[in-house]
Amino acid sequence: QQQVKQSPQSLIVQKGGISIINCAYENTAFDYFPWYQQFPGKGPALLIAIRPDVSEKKEGRFTISFNKSAKQFSLHIMDSQPGDSATYFCAASKPSGAGSYQLTFGKGTKLSVIP
Amino acid sequence: GAGVSQTPSNKVTEKGKYVELRCDPISGHTALYWYRQSLGQGPEFLIYFQGTGAADDSGLPNDRFFAVRPEGSVSTLKIQRTERGDSAVYLCASSLSGGLETQYFGPGTRLLVL
Repeated sequence: QQQVKQSPQSLIVQKGGISIINCAYENTAFDYFPWYQQFPGKGPALLIAIRPDVSEKKEGRFTISFNKSAKQFSLHIMDSQPGDSATYFCAASKPSGAGSYQLTFGKGTKLSVIP
Repeated sequence: GAGVSQTPSNKVTEKGKYVELRCDPISGHTALYWYRQSLGQGPEFLIYFQGTGAADDSGLPNDRFFAVRPEGSVSTLKIQRTERGDSAVYLCASSLSGGLETQYFGPGTRLLVL
């Protein structure tokens, strides 16, 4: 059972365009929704995160939109640059005892920004 | 400052062998997580340590997998009787004290079981 569904699997965007990646979740106990960026051969790195008490969070060119009633959230990358080319993972988390906030990841979206 | 480091970066072994994967978390981080990332998939949670104790091992797939963190810093993931299906990238992450704090990932160990 895939608890966090991510789409699209791959995305090609022209430089300067907007990249949009969508995620949906089932478990209403999730209360923390981060996005991670991963370059080949590297571990994932936190990009931006949101709690369900807000509908939008913006950091620079990156924005998370969150729809609690639909159980959906999305990442928007404005003015996409070739350096943004990477795999992006949405994730969700909930407390699981003893302070554990294990992350449940989507399958990832491979973004390619072409000049 | 130094991030999370993992050794070896690559490990090739034969089916049935025993392997150990090491994680050095960021200094001072008490929380440590292990994840496994199969090709084309997102990381999957294996185990969580708070200090020296394994507080949540609900993600370990079976009893061939075991992890320790005897002094509350370095952790070792141990896999007995490896199977071809164990081939994956094993990622370690640490955070300052657990909870909602940012998890910082290492580069991973790529394990290939022949």
